[in-house]
Amino acid sequence: GAVVSQHPSRVICKSGTSVKIECRSLDFQATTMFWYRQFPKQSLMLMATSNEGSKATYEQGVEKDKFLINHASLTLSTLTVTSAHPEDSSFYICSASGAPKETQYFGPGTRLLVL
Amino acid sequence: GQNIDQPTEMTATEGAIVQINCTYQTSGFNGLFWYQQHAGEAPTFLSYNVLDGLEEKGRFSSFLSRSKGYSYLLLKELQMKDSASYLCAVSGDNYGQNFVFGPGTRLSVLP
Repeated sequence: GAVVSQHPSRVICKSGTSVKIECRSLDFQATTMFWYRQFPKQSLMLMATSNEGSKATYEQGVEKDKFLINHASLTLSTLTVTSAHPEDSSFYICSASGAPKETQYFGPGTRLLVL
Repeated sequence: GQNIDQPTEMTATEGAIVQINCTYQTSGFNGLFWYQQHAGEAPTFLSYNVLDGLEEKGRFSSFLSRSKGYSYLLLKELQMKDSASYLCAVSGDNYGQNFVFGPGTRLSVLP
């Protein structure tokens, strides 16, 4: 199957700082990347969908100015959590899809803890 | 609207067979996916159904009935390592990209 990596796998930061998470498709070109957030014992919640070279589409209730998404190439998307607060602490997972109607392949996730 | 339903928890014995059901109501349909997620890890892809019927892949099989808005994941010869959450996801839009995930079913396999 396709391989998607995320970096960092775990990050601890102070409240008010910004954190950048990278998502890379290693062996295929990802026309679309997705960012999810998952709180303990809950299912994945889609935050935004990004297509290479265009602005991300955010789900209702997700602040686009707080969660900045950049999808500058077919293999890299970044999520920046700006001015992080403790309530932003969560498991952030990206996924990538090579073409419409294809399955999404998930990265290993990034665990964010904001103190 | 979009609605996907799964049982919250299930328990089964090692070596047995278990069926995890998923019902969905979505505004569009371009395929149903099953993912396995171990605690603290990201989901991994198990199966994809877009036409009615059964898809078999080793110990795992997935069934779809589009007219009933129903799918199930069948796990045979259960192993302890199969203890995980199983997520049903439906691709509901015309482009087949945006997934809606069900709440997940936590399966515990007992010795």
